[in-house]
Amino acid sequence: AQTVTQSQPEMSVQEAETVTLSCTYDTSESNYYLFWYKQPPSRQMILVIRQEAYKQQNATENRFSVNFQKAAKSFSLKISDSQLGDTAMYFCAFMSNGNQFYFGTGTSLTVIP
Amino acid sequence: DTGVSQDPRHKITKRGQNVTFRCDPISEHNRLYWYRQTLGQGPEFLTYFQNEAQLEKSRLLSDRFSAERPKGSFSTLEIQRTEQGDSAMYLCASSLVLGYTEAFFGQGTRLTVV
Repeated sequence: AQTVTQSQPEMSVQEAETVTLSCTYDTSESNYYLFWYKQPPSRQMILVIRQEAYKQQNATENRFSVNFQKAAKSFSLKISDSQLGDTAMYFCAFMSNGNQFYFGTGTSLTVIP
Repeated sequence: DTGVSQDPRHKITKRGQNVTFRCDPISEHNRLYWYRQTLGQGPEFLTYFQNEAQLEKSRLLSDRFSAERPKGSFSTLEIQRTEQGDSAMYLCASSLVLGYTEAFFGQGTRLTVV
């Protein structure tokens, strides 16, 4: 079975600073996808960034980037130049073989003005 | 198409009553997922469909839960004889099969069982 672990229940960062959210996963699959989703308070979950396991290059989307370490089964999210609108729950997710998505327990990020 | 739509947004029901939720996915998406989320937790998988076929159902899902997706379009999730432990946010998501694309989520239905 696939598992996703987020070991940081809560984090905070000063506005304009950089923060890194951690995620580890466990799988025996060789081909899979990893995602970071953002869930603002009382709002729907939206995709932040995704990474294909067969790609060595780390994905980047504007201020968001990942550090994907396949051998270590680690998939961290770095948010640069943090903004107040980044305050949200962040969920790491895993999907393989086009099946269901497995989610971690989330990290609550607060950006402090 | 404005995304995944869920109805109702909120539902309060008495213990023992049956409830039904509806999800309308993004029109061209053939995958549809149901997840349950409790406060402070990540989404927990319930079931998913590819077109009208229900491909997988969580072992955690009791017989009181049933889902359908007639004609491969909208889906319904029914909970029979609700219990207080069923109180949660029920999330629907849809995606395309090809290319392992991301899932797009609806705003969820918050169920409170009193």
